[in-house]
Amino acid sequence: DAGVIQSPRHEVTEMGQEVTLRCKPISGHNSLFWYRQTMMRGLELLIYFNNNVPIDDSGMPEDRFSAKMPNASFSTLKIQPSEPRDSAVYFCASAVGRGNQPQHFGDGTRLSIL
Amino acid sequence: GESVGLHLPTLSVQEGDNSIINCAYSNSASDYFIWYKQESGKGPQFIIDIRSNMDKRQGQRVTVLLNKTVKHLSLQIAATQPGDSAVYFCAVAGYSTLTFGKGTMLLVSP
Repeated sequence: DAGVIQSPRHEVTEMGQEVTLRCKPISGHNSLFWYRQTMMRGLELLIYFNNNVPIDDSGMPEDRFSAKMPNASFSTLKIQPSEPRDSAVYFCASAVGRGNQPQHFGDGTRLSIL
Repeated sequence: GESVGLHLPTLSVQEGDNSIINCAYSNSASDYFIWYKQESGKGPQFIIDIRSNMDKRQGQRVTVLLNKTVKHLSLQIAATQPGDSAVYFCAVAGYSTLTFGKGTMLLVSP
C-alpha cells in the first residue's frame, strides 16, 4: 500500500523565496495534518483538515504560512516569504475519521532557508 | 489544554536488554494513547495503542502500560535490538487531534 507521499524530500532556498510543500494522503483517509518538527519545539501541529475543510489552523505560525486542500488526494503548505527560522522538517499525516485516530506520517520535507 | 511530557530524553541500553520508555500526561479525561517510533530521516510510525478501558496491551516484543491514576504510560520493549534505536513518542488523543510528547531517544549498543 502506498503511504503518505510528500515532496520534495529536501528543499534549500534563500530567505524571501516562496516555498511550496506537497502532500498526497493515503487513499480513503479523510483527515490530513501538517506538522513541523524542530529540536527545540518537537512535533507541532500546524493545521488539520477534515474532508478537505480546514478545521484547526491555530498552529499556523503567522500569515506567511498558508495551506490548501483542493481535493481529497492533495494538499499544499506554502511559506511566503520564507525566513531562516522556518528551517525545520515538515511532515504531512493522514487518518481515517477525526484527528484523534492513528495518524500515518509521510517521510517529511527537510527545509533549509539560508 | 493537554500537555505531554517524557521523563528521560535519552535511554541507552545493551542489545538484549529490556527497555522502558515513560510518558506523563496531564488531562485525566484522555482516553486514547499511541506510541510512535521515528527512525532517522523518516516520519513517525505507529507502534501500538491503548484505550483507557485497558491498563495493558501487548504487541510483538512491545507492551504498553497505562496507569490512569497517576496519568502515566510506558512502552516496554523486550530483548531490545539495534534496529530499535530510534526516537519514541507518546501521543495523547484530544477531541480532534493528537498531542505528541517531545520524544525519547533509544540507543541500543551491540
